[in-house]
Amino acid sequence: EPEVTQTPSHQVTQMGQEVILRCVPISNHLYFYWYRQILGQKVEFLVSFYNNEISEKSEIFDDQFSVERPDGSNFTLKIRSTKLEDSAMYFCASSEALVSNEQFFGPGTRLTVL
Amino acid sequence: AQSVTQLDSQVPVFEEAPVELRCNYSSSVSVYLFWYVQYPNQGLQLLLKYLSGSTLVKGINGFEAEFNKSQTSFHLRKPSVHISDTAEYFCAVSDLDGNKLVFGAGTILRVKS
Repeated sequence: EPEVTQTPSHQVTQMGQEVILRCVPISNHLYFYWYRQILGQKVEFLVSFYNNEISEKSEIFDDQFSVERPDGSNFTLKIRSTKLEDSAMYFCASSEALVSNEQFFGPGTRLTVL
Repeated sequence: AQSVTQLDSQVPVFEEAPVELRCNYSSSVSVYLFWYVQYPNQGLQLLLKYLSGSTLVKGINGFEAEFNKSQTSFHLRKPSVHISDTAEYFCAVSDLDGNKLVFGAGTILRVKS
């Protein structure tokens, strides 16, 4: 069964460093998403991406964040200069289409900023 | 803007007992409703969804949920739980554009033998 994969499973970084979280969505999916979950808090939407453009982004997704689909298979989330409060589990998801279509989630990357 | 409230952070229940996990939502527009499950060290997996039509929705693993528009609720039920149902369950909504999911805080279901 096709699945969304994410690497690495755990990333530890120093405050101020750049990190890139990687995701491989399901191959025929067209819509891609990033969510995050700070420990003990809700899963929060960050950004959605379609046709090589951001479709929607939340207030959390400020200038420190960027997304990219560098090739036909990967979807990345870059945090330019990490802060302590960026420590969270980051989930990638993909869907075949909008509206009524299931978003398939990856297992997540746990980011720890020291 | 939408919001989701899951009233119970943890629900302990004995094996083969029925369970109900509660979810209420708030929205000024029509919404779609979802329940996701997360097993340890795994991603979120869709259990079921309500888009339109019958208010009683059946999902995987014997779960079902009922959409109640007047009470703005979408409670999840299972008549007889198994140890393997131990997991965290998330209720979520999206508007009809379907571009993003808004999640509740999650309910940890602990099934005891």
